[in-house]
Amino acid sequence: AQKITQTQPGMFVQEKEAVTLDCTYDTSDQSYGLFWYKQPSSGEMIFLIYQGSYDEQNATEGRYSLNFQKARKSANLVISASQLGDSAMYFCAMREGGQAGTALIFGKGTTLSVSS
Amino acid sequence: DSGVTQTPKHLITATGQRVTLRCSPRSGDLSVYWYQQSLDQGLQFLIHYYNGEERAKGNILERFSAQQFPDLHSELNLSSLELGDSALYFCASSAESGTGTDTQYFGPGTRLTVL
Repeated sequence: AQKITQTQPGMFVQEKEAVTLDCTYDTSDQSYGLFWYKQPSSGEMIFLIYQGSYDEQNATEGRYSLNFQKARKSANLVISASQLGDSAMYFCAMREGGQAGTALIFGKGTTLSVSS
Repeated sequence: DSGVTQTPKHLITATGQRVTLRCSPRSGDLSVYWYQQSLDQGLQFLIHYYNGEERAKGNILERFSAQQFPDLHSELNLSSLELGDSALYFCASSAESGTGTDTQYFGPGTRLTVL
């Protein structure tokens, strides 16, 4: 079974609009971390935001926020005021177990296209 | 700039050959993870090293091997290359504070093309 599910293969948004990229996860661990990464067409993987399973507040980093709904096992990324430079592939990922040294499990990604 | 370096950026080689990909982690990070990104398999974890020791293996083929040296840089060796090994190979480093929540920072990747 998929541990990270991103159901939107592609999203299209206009500049200055907000957009939500969906991510649901599956784990039986109590301690885990959720991450979002951005991959522009140049190929590098850029860390955007992190949410811990015990964090009570939703994480925010500038224009990025993570809408964490633990009971629904969802960790959606919200980008406010989209910019042309936000056009990229976005990956949701999870680390399980709360121990050091666990690998990231990635979803299949969502391609975001921002138009002017 | 994540602080993680990878060389080379691009590599073109032929089937049956052997190549070595190199990664230097961020200053102070003891962990190095290797991932493979291909169109059909997505992003997959290959192997993890911590302070010179192998800690975990993912979907790594027997033809692939890795090591981490005393200066903490890591090398991923791919041998008897096949067309299907063409992919983007990333390394990522992490501080591993012990909480399991440390962010992994990725290098720019090595794009391997096997002809």
